[in-house]
Amino acid sequence: EADIYQTPRYLVIGTGKKITLECSQTMGHDKMYWYQQDPGMELHLIHYSYGVNSTEKGDLSSESTVSRIRTEHFPLTLESARPSHTSQYLCASSERTGQKAGYTFGSGTRLTVV
Amino acid sequence: RKEVEQDPGPFNVPEGATVAFNCTYSNSASQSFFWYRQDCRKEPKLLMSVYSSGNEDGRFTAQLNRASQYISLLIRDSKLSDSATYLCVVNNHTSGTYKYIFGTGTRLKVLA
Repeated sequence: EADIYQTPRYLVIGTGKKITLECSQTMGHDKMYWYQQDPGMELHLIHYSYGVNSTEKGDLSSESTVSRIRTEHFPLTLESARPSHTSQYLCASSERTGQKAGYTFGSGTRLTVV
Repeated sequence: RKEVEQDPGPFNVPEGATVAFNCTYSNSASQSFFWYRQDCRKEPKLLMSVYSSGNEDGRFTAQLNRASQYISLLIRDSKLSDSATYLCVVNNHTSGTYKYIFGTGTRLKVLA
């Protein structure tokens, strides 16, 4: 039973469309993250949040934006999708005392922009 | 140089074999360490944390060598179901925040 949910699981969309990838967690975790991962490649941090109204850009430059209005919800938005955005997007969360706590990942959204 | 480095593999081993992966990290101030498992087209899942004294969980043993800045994962009596990519993760404390750094992963294929 998942404690962190991502929707949709798969998305195929045309160039130029605005899309929002949803991520929700029921564990009350303060910290949430968005990673991008191409097949067989490493995870790249694109956004993170340490709590409500806190958002930061990650290591990998991304044209996406995020918001954190509620603790449990951390959506990622692409204003105008492009084929270069095709990838898997993984959401994760961790407890406030993040030093020893592992991450819990959602099942991911596999995005294809045509 | 990458902050966390792993041999990408693949490591092809027969069922029942013992296999070991190493991972090196560059930041000597790294605070904590983990091994994650990722199946093909799935999300990473925490396999085990790595403690300074070394720790074991069933067939899996993790060890940390701070002096040489590497961690290892040993899998005994490999099963077909162990086939996956194993990600080394290091948690660094920089600028007042903790930051997870993921390795690129080592692919393991256990063969019947």
